[in-house]
Amino acid sequence: KQEVTQIPAALSVPEGENLVLNCSFTDSAIYNLQWFRQDPGKGLTSLLLIQSSQREQTSGRLNASLDKSSGRSTLYIAASQPGDSATYLCAVRERDNYGQNFVFGPGTRLSVLP
Amino acid sequence: NAGVTQTPKFQVLKTGQSMTLQCAQDMNHEYMSWYRQDPGMGLRLIHYSVGAGITDQGEVPNGYNVSRSTTEDFPLRLLSAAPSQTSVYFCASRATGGGYTFGSGTRLTVV
Repeated sequence: KQEVTQIPAALSVPEGENLVLNCSFTDSAIYNLQWFRQDPGKGLTSLLLIQSSQREQTSGRLNASLDKSSGRSTLYIAASQPGDSATYLCAVRERDNYGQNFVFGPGTRLSVLP
Repeated sequence: NAGVTQTPKFQVLKTGQSMTLQCAQDMNHEYMSWYRQDPGMGLRLIHYSVGAGITDQGEVPNGYNVSRSTTEDFPLRLLSAAPSQTSVYFCASRATGGGYTFGSGTRLTVV
């Protein structure tokens, strides 16, 4: 059974720092991997989607990498801002008949201090 | 604005009551799913659909029913609410090969 873990569970950094969030998954047979952010009491906002054939995706200050063979993905946030404070979740889409099942990690709660 | 719309945003039910959580998307996505999010448990898949007329069970389907009569709508029915169903419910949709778009959620309390 696919299991997704995220380290650290929580992170607090001063504004301006570059930071890395980690996501690990146990079964490398994935279709793609998606990073989300979730603000308190809100829904999930998609940040980046990496297909299994890709190594990385970039959007603004965000860069996500994927190493399927080692079962790892990282989300790099450059020059962090207080507005980046949120919970960040990764999810992997498994290769099954419908490719439907996304398995979510527990999230990393990020606080960026002014 | 294109996206996934969930109603209601908040709901309180008494044990044993039934209700339907509504979900609609206007992106012509084939795939739609319902998740529940609980502290310490993360997001868990309840039911999903790969197209109109086709639904299947996810990880935690007991106590819930779904139907998909149109591409746009994917309602989730609680048959007889129990306190264990107190949770935040999210509907999501995606196109073939794409990533998920989530609704803003329904916060349900069963007393």
